[in-house]
Amino acid sequence: QSALTQPASVSGSPGQSITISCTGTSSDVGGYNFVSWYQQHPGKAPKLMIYDVSYRPSGVSNRFSGSKSGNTASLTISGLQAEDEADYYCSSHASTNAPVFGGGTKLTVL
Amino acid sequence: EVQLVESGGGLVKPGGSLRLSCAASGFTFSSYSMNWVRQAPGKGLEWVSSISSSSSYIYYADSVKGRFTISRDNAKNSLYLQMNSLRAEDTAVYYCARDGIPGWLQRYFDLWGRGTLVTVSS
Repeated sequence: QSALTQPASVSGSPGQSITISCTGTSSDVGGYNFVSWYQQHPGKAPKLMIYDVSYRPSGVSNRFSGSKSGNTASLTISGLQAEDEADYYCSSHASTNAPVFGGGTKLTVL
Repeated sequence: EVQLVESGGGLVKPGGSLRLSCAASGFTFSSYSMNWVRQAPGKGLEWVSSISSSSSYIYYADSVKGRFTISRDNAKNSLYLQMNSLRAEDTAVYYCARDGIPGWLQRYFDLWGRGTLVTVSS
């Protein structure tokens, strides 16, 4: 039950695009198209932003997109806005029936 | 309104017990698998336990196996987490979270409660 690997922090200016990576193994990220991404503002509950690698729930901006290649998934946020500043977590279903989360990435909008 | 509301958190001494509850409303609770996810202060998210819609399938993280018990009462639209032999490292905000698709388990978590804080300290 090892955590997925994410960069601790990323930053970008308003209007720019950023990408957060999420690396796992063939037993989780690489083995299933069940990668999800969550946004968490300080003191708030996580919010689902992307599911099944690249699908957006209703109400989530199309500035958020997801992809996967091999054992690495990615979240891209285009047209950065101040309200995007938050922590982002990836998660994946795993063969062990113990879903794993990434360590989290703090996004700073400069 | 579709929502999950956790309760039952608090301060407990090491070795003690606590029972968390999660009240669901606004959706057909009995159709969805449910989960507990926790977050230690200043740390990331950690999956704790999952239970399928009919309680047929139950899974635990290694860190809580043998000490925590997940259960549900579909008639009361409620999810529970019985926590025994608590340790300092169990200190966290505990969230209940719904699986995104009825009938699936651990695919993704589309609805979260606000969480309840559990503090284990002498």
